[in-house]
Amino acid sequence: QVQLVESGGGVVQPGGSLRLSCAASGFTFSSYGMHWVRQAPGKGLEWVAFIRYDGSNKYYADSVKGRFTISRDNSKNTLYLQMNSLRAEDTAVYYCAKDLWFRAFDIWGQGTMVTVSS
Amino acid sequence: EIVLTQSPATLSLSPGERATLSCRASQSVSSYLAWYQQKPGQAPRLLIYDASNRATGIPARFSGSGSGTDFTLTISSLEPEDFAVYYCQQRSNWPPAYTFGQGTKLEIK
Repeated sequence: QVQLVESGGGVVQPGGSLRLSCAASGFTFSSYGMHWVRQAPGKGLEWVAFIRYDGSNKYYADSVKGRFTISRDNSKNTLYLQMNSLRAEDTAVYYCAKDLWFRAFDIWGQGTMVTVSS
Repeated sequence: EIVLTQSPATLSLSPGERATLSCRASQSVSSYLAWYQQKPGQAPRLLIYDASNRATGIPARFSGSGSGTDFTLTISSLEPEDFAVYYCQQRSNWPPAYTFGQGTKLEIK
């Protein structure tokens, strides 16, 4: 079945770095754009980044631009999010999600928790 | 940036009743409006895309309507499993940027 599984979350100090991964299965990963969406504890959803199916274009929320990098390895069916210069306000559950025609997110992973704290 | 405002913040209803959730955009989003359901400890689930199209596997009691700046999610007859938080979401024209409403909590009365 279609599945997305995130990993790589944890506790990191302010200013530190972390790389998240999202393993995809059950669909042709290389044919679809992919997103990262996050949710701070007890808060709503915030879109973070999007990468096109072939990695040719990448888009970011203003809140993470210049600090986060989205990438993918289609040979490994894996999506990544490199997070640098982390701040307390980056603390959240990070979800990867499959793109639906640039308009919505139709498949979601279970999420991985990132905590930025000293 | 387009802001989505959902109302009400909390909706208290009983199973079997009809639920009407609203999402208003600060400017026109055409029909690129989606709705999600999220239960505690779970990832969101896509219900509706392009304002009125049900996603795969979504029961017919869920319907969406609207265009421009005003959108509605209707649940025709509430089942116990429908009590959750609901979010609307839009995509800006180009470059793509996506925003969510703040959510409506649908609770059992």
